[in-house]
Amino acid sequence: AQSVTQLGSHVSVSEGALVLLRCNYSSSVPPYLFWYVQYPNQGLQLLLKYTSAATLVKGINGFEAEFKKSETSFHLTKPSAHMRDAAEYFCAVSRREYGNKLVFGAGTILRVKS
Amino acid sequence: EPEVTQTPSHQVTQMGQEVILRCVPISNHLYFYWYRQILGQKVEFLVSFYNNEISEKSEIFDDQFSVERPDGSNFTLKIRSTKLEDSAMYFCASSESVGSGDTQYFGPGTRLTVL
Repeated sequence: AQSVTQLGSHVSVSEGALVLLRCNYSSSVPPYLFWYVQYPNQGLQLLLKYTSAATLVKGINGFEAEFKKSETSFHLTKPSAHMRDAAEYFCAVSRREYGNKLVFGAGTILRVKS
Repeated sequence: EPEVTQTPSHQVTQMGQEVILRCVPISNHLYFYWYRQILGQKVEFLVSFYNNEISEKSEIFDDQFSVERPDGSNFTLKIRSTKLEDSAMYFCASSESVGSGDTQYFGPGTRLTVL
């Protein structure tokens, strides 16, 4: 079975500071991994995804994530936070053997302080 | 940019009533999904649909739920007799294929409130 754990339901950073949102997955074989963002009153928007190509994945809005098999992690980072990054972020995992359904983490709400 | 749309944005219903949530997936996509998020909980998979039939469904997707693609553009989720615990945000998603972790594109959601 697949599962995703996001450490920290709320993360608060100052504008311009490093953003680090943590995600660990549980899967018997390397899965596909995703980060989605949800702005208030909007749907889930894909930030980036890992599909077994490069382990460092670059996404939209300056975000990137690194797949580390040894740590079963896929943490999301951004060097410098902006006010517009305030949103809820979801890590998700899927595998073709499981019909590509997404299994989501609980989400992390990012607050950016001015 | 093509997007998934959902109607209504908010639905309020009485317990025991039937509701139909509507979605228009991206036009060239072939795989369709419903997920839900109960307030304060994780986004959960409900069902996937391809070639006019259910591909996979979760334990949540019991006989009270059904999905349909009534025409070439709409994808619907029906709850026959709503319960209080069906109150949640329901998200529709679509993808072009299911190969190599293809991206699922999500709609804005329908907030269902069962009284």
